[in-house]
Amino acid sequence: DSGVTQTPKHLITATGQRVTLRCSPRSGDLSVYWYQQSLDQGLQFLIQYYNGEERAKGNILERFSAQQFPDLHSELNLSSLELGDSALYFCASSVRGDRENYEQYFGPGTRLTVT
Amino acid sequence: AQSVTQLDSHVSVSEGTPVLLRCNYSSSYSPSLFWYVQHPNKGLQLLLKYTSAATLVKGINGFEAEFKKSETSFHLTKPSAHMSDAAEYFCVVSGRYSSASKIIFGSGTRLSIRP
Repeated sequence: DSGVTQTPKHLITATGQRVTLRCSPRSGDLSVYWYQQSLDQGLQFLIQYYNGEERAKGNILERFSAQQFPDLHSELNLSSLELGDSALYFCASSVRGDRENYEQYFGPGTRLTVT
Repeated sequence: AQSVTQLDSHVSVSEGTPVLLRCNYSSSYSPSLFWYVQHPNKGLQLLLKYTSAATLVKGINGFEAEFKKSETSFHLTKPSAHMSDAAEYFCVVSGRYSSASKIIFGSGTRLSIRP
């Protein structure tokens, strides 16, 4: 158990809908990272938050957004969902990540199925 | 620019025999290198990391990796495979002080263990 929790474990929704994925980092970790894992694209970095502020952005679509709250938990919002958004979404946390890349600890993931 | 290549998409070994999973990288920066393991329907778990200290890095579950700058390699080895090692393995490269958006995951190597 990495100490990173994600809810829900599974989500099934229809095209055009909006969903929110939630992540709680390990106790004391300040950085949260979001990744998308699909069969054709592999593991893709989406976005990083450090202590409430956006720190780095990867291949995140404009339909997707995220935030990190004062208690350091994070939410990833996916809107106008398309079939191609079906994937595993992972959250990871690290102790810092503002100036130096530390090892990341991954949550169990949320499996999103868009029908 | 950074990149990582996992040279084998699938490796199959017999239980009790050595494991070798190959990873080559390129990096403009002084790299940090990681190996993660992902068991089916689970999140990624850190096996080991290299961040410019000792070139031979020991990880969990008997795995180790050697950083070879001249060969730009970071191969993962284990002397004796166990059935529980069957999983997907990811090699990851990042610049130690670079943005999280520069963290690159390899495409993964699926390790199968034959009884």
